[in-house]
Amino acid sequence: DVKVTQSSRYLVKRTGEKVFLECVQDMDHENMFWYRQDPGLGLRLIYFSYDVKMKEKGDIPEGYSVSREKKERFSLILESASTNQTSMYLCASSSRAGSTAVEQYFGPGTRLTVT
Amino acid sequence: AQSVAQPEDQVNVAEGNPLTVKCTYSVSGNPYLFWYVQYPNRGLQFLLKYITGDNLVKGSYGFEAEFNKSQTSFHLKKPSALVSDSALYFCAVRDIGGSYIPTFGRGTSLIVHP
Repeated sequence: DVKVTQSSRYLVKRTGEKVFLECVQDMDHENMFWYRQDPGLGLRLIYFSYDVKMKEKGDIPEGYSVSREKKERFSLILESASTNQTSMYLCASSSRAGSTAVEQYFGPGTRLTVT
Repeated sequence: AQSVAQPEDQVNVAEGNPLTVKCTYSVSGNPYLFWYVQYPNRGLQFLLKYITGDNLVKGSYGFEAEFNKSQTSFHLKKPSALVSDSALYFCAVRDIGGSYIPTFGRGTSLIVHP
């Protein structure tokens, strides 16, 4: 069974802390994504990686960075957490094989609260 | 450029009645279209997709969606709603030949009343 896991379901951090969100997939997918989900705004893409050590900025990369040292793992880093980064963070992966018609597989999400 | 709109923030339907969740899209070329469902405190789960061919696509849990090129729509449907269908539904589009990053709609909350 396909699986995307995220390191924490709930996380509470203080303003200014450095925060690491980890995502692991077991499907040998090339593509991995980080989104944030806020009520009324849907899913917004933060960063995208199409291969190990490769990354591209999404729609809202400010205040975030990412790391992909291994194919199965994609980390999202909040360099200095701020209250406006309180949100639900979703990781996803997809195969790059063949066409672009493949669907994404999502992790359960991490609800981050920054106080 | 690609975009998708879900014109209803919330849809209410009685159990046993048919349901429709609307989605319209805009792409430069031809689209790949997707529907996902999100249950409370969970990630998104894939329901179905349209690639090419038959305009009526069948997916998981008895859901289906109809692709209408002239109206640029991809509405999600189910003949008989269940209370357990209550969830957040997302439509997504990807332009064939474009980036393989999809664009998601803002989501529609489906509430099925007993």
